[in-house]
Amino acid sequence: NAGVTQTPKFQVLKTGQSMTLQCAQDMNHNSMYWYRQDPGMGLRLIYYSASEGTTDKGEVPNGYNVSRLNKREFSLRLESAAPSQTSVYFCASSARQGSGNSPLHFGNGTRLTVT
Amino acid sequence: LAKTTQPISMDSYEGQEVNITCSHNNIATNDYITWYQQFPSQGPRFIIQGYKTKVTNEVASLFIPADRKSSTLSLPRVSLSDTAVYYCLVGGTNAGKSTFGDGTTLTVKP
Repeated sequence: NAGVTQTPKFQVLKTGQSMTLQCAQDMNHNSMYWYRQDPGMGLRLIYYSASEGTTDKGEVPNGYNVSRLNKREFSLRLESAAPSQTSVYFCASSARQGSGNSPLHFGNGTRLTVT
Repeated sequence: LAKTTQPISMDSYEGQEVNITCSHNNIATNDYITWYQQFPSQGPRFIIQGYKTKVTNEVASLFIPADRKSSTLSLPRVSLSDTAVYYCLVGGTNAGKSTFGDGTTLTVKP
């Protein structure tokens, strides 16, 4: 039982390049989330998907797009990477939407550097 | 948004009890309080969750006063392996309405 799996673990991009971060969960959770974490800071919500077929913006959505491919998979796309997007990206899932009475389960992150 | 405030850092020694407090003055009626632990190069891991009064599990206790404007995570008899960053998160059923604070870095010394 792997929980939440993120790929790749590391990535270096040049400014302007695009890439997709992949996330899959095997806990049959309904809701999935993408966060970014900058050095010495907490996690900021980029986008979330309350259930299959829906996506919503979080606190910092600019420069990103998401796709809820099916109940298991939720991808994050950077269309034109910028140095400000250098960060560690975490995917999470929960049985129900929101953290209330439904804890978040996190992957181990993708470390992205944009030069 | 339910903004949270925590101390930036705390030091402790092995075997001591550690209490980390989180302030959340604008908590909403249906919000829960959840604490997570994060080690370097890993994602946060769920520790404990509560709504009011006291919750205890095998690793921690969570104390929530009647007004729910703060909460205290209590770690009994810490060890070196408890050195980590601890986050409190306040949120309900709307994922877009909850935010993580900047966390508390706990350092346990021998």
